[in-house]
Amino acid sequence: GQNIDQPTEMTATEGAIVQINCTYQTSGFNGLFWYQQHAGEAPTFLSYNVLDGLEEKGRFSSFLSRSKGYSYLLLKELQMKDSASYLCAALDSNYQLIWGAGTKLIIKP
Amino acid sequence: IAGITQAPTSQILAAGRRMTLRCTQDMRHNAMYWYRQDLGLGLRLIHYSNTAGTTGKGEVPDGYSVSRANTDDFPLTLASAVPSQTSVYFCASSSSTGGTDTQYFGPGTRLTVL
Repeated sequence: GQNIDQPTEMTATEGAIVQINCTYQTSGFNGLFWYQQHAGEAPTFLSYNVLDGLEEKGRFSSFLSRSKGYSYLLLKELQMKDSASYLCAALDSNYQLIWGAGTKLIIKP
Repeated sequence: IAGITQAPTSQILAAGRRMTLRCTQDMRHNAMYWYRQDLGLGLRLIHYSNTAGTTGKGEVPDGYSVSRANTDDFPLTLASAVPSQTSVYFCASSSSTGGTDTQYFGPGTRLTVL
């Protein structure tokens, strides 16, 4: 079956760095998305990786290893507004998104 | 402002009642989707539409129906609501399917079925 695993919850300190991991098992693979979702709001797009390696976008970076079925989202210089859930989603061979349950990130002052 | 709107924002519904959740986008996107989001679970695809006039079933289609009469609108209907359909429902759209286009989400409808 198809499966996405990511930690349920993580806590980090304002100004620090946090890495949110995601492992995936899908029938075929056409890339991996990360979305941010604040409580009570809609998911919003953060990043898309299809090739191995690190993609940097400001304070946020996303990494992909296709051979390991693994991705991570790296958040630097954490701000209180980064408190949110982070959703990992893999695009399968039918170009359907398979979503993880999300990682709730709590930022403490 | 371009984007996706959903209505209603929230609704409490008696079991057995019929309900239509509305979704409208003004980005001229071809593809549209309906998801439900439940605590502890990932977003689950209910139905999708690749283009106006076509629809398809997602992972959890039972008890739901959709139509796509035009590009902008993609309503989701619960013919006879049951308590297990209590959830937050998100409509999304993307420029196309069969590709890697980003999906843009509406603000969601919080539905409670009693």
